[in-house]
Amino acid sequence: GAVVSQHPSRVICKSGTSVKIECRSLDFQATTMFWYRQFPKQSLMLMATSNEGSKATYEQGVEKDKFLINHASLTLSTLTVTSAHPEDSSFYICSARQGHEQFFGPGTRLTVL
Amino acid sequence: AQSVSQHNHHVILSEAASLELGCNYSYGGTVNLFWYVQYPGQHLQLLLKYFSGDPLVKGIKGFEAEFIKSKFSFNLRKPSVQWSDTAEYFCAVKERNDYKLSFGAGTTVTVRA
Repeated sequence: GAVVSQHPSRVICKSGTSVKIECRSLDFQATTMFWYRQFPKQSLMLMATSNEGSKATYEQGVEKDKFLINHASLTLSTLTVTSAHPEDSSFYICSARQGHEQFFGPGTRLTVL
Repeated sequence: AQSVSQHNHHVILSEAASLELGCNYSYGGTVNLFWYVQYPGQHLQLLLKYFSGDPLVKGIKGFEAEFIKSKFSFNLRKPSVQWSDTAEYFCAVKERNDYKLSFGAGTTVTVRA
C-alpha cells in the first residue's frame, strides 16, 4: 500500500516552454501532497505544500507564479513549471501525506535546454 | 525551519562491516524523526521512524536508530552491511504539530563486496 506515482519520469523541453508534472496517490487519498526539488548530491528542498481544494503554500524563495500547483482531487496534484529556463533543470519529487508519514514518488528529471 | 545535519557525505565500507550514520537536528521541541533510503534509480523509502516511546527504533532490512533527546541526535546503525545496502540515506525531521519534513543533505553509502 501507500504507492505514489509521478509522470513523466523524465522530460526534456526547450527554454520558455511550460512543463506539467503529475503526482498521484494510487491506493490512498491524500489531502496534502508536497513538492520537493533535489539538486545533484544535495538534499530534498521543500518547494510547496499542495492542499486539496485550496491554494498551495509555498516555501520562502519559491516563485508561486513560476511553479503552479493544482490539487484538484484527493489523489492528484500537478506541478507546472512555467516558462522554464535551464536553471529550472532539476529532479522534482512529490510526496503524499498519510497521517504523519509521507510517501514519495519516484521523481521527475526535468532538463531545460 | 528545522536544520538537519548529517555528518558524513560519503561512507565506503566492506561487506559485513558495521555502519553508523549521524544525524542531528536543531529544534528544541517535540519532533518526529525519520530515516529514508534511496537506492540507485529508485524512490525514497522509509527505513524507520520515531514518534514516541522506546528511543531505540528498529526498522526494515536490519537497520536501527537511537533517539538521544539530550544530544538532538537520531543516528542510524546496522551491525553488518551487505552490498545491497549501497544507497543514499537521508535523515528527516518534523515538528510534532507540523507535517513538513526537513531533510539532511544525505549520506552516500558504498558497500564493497
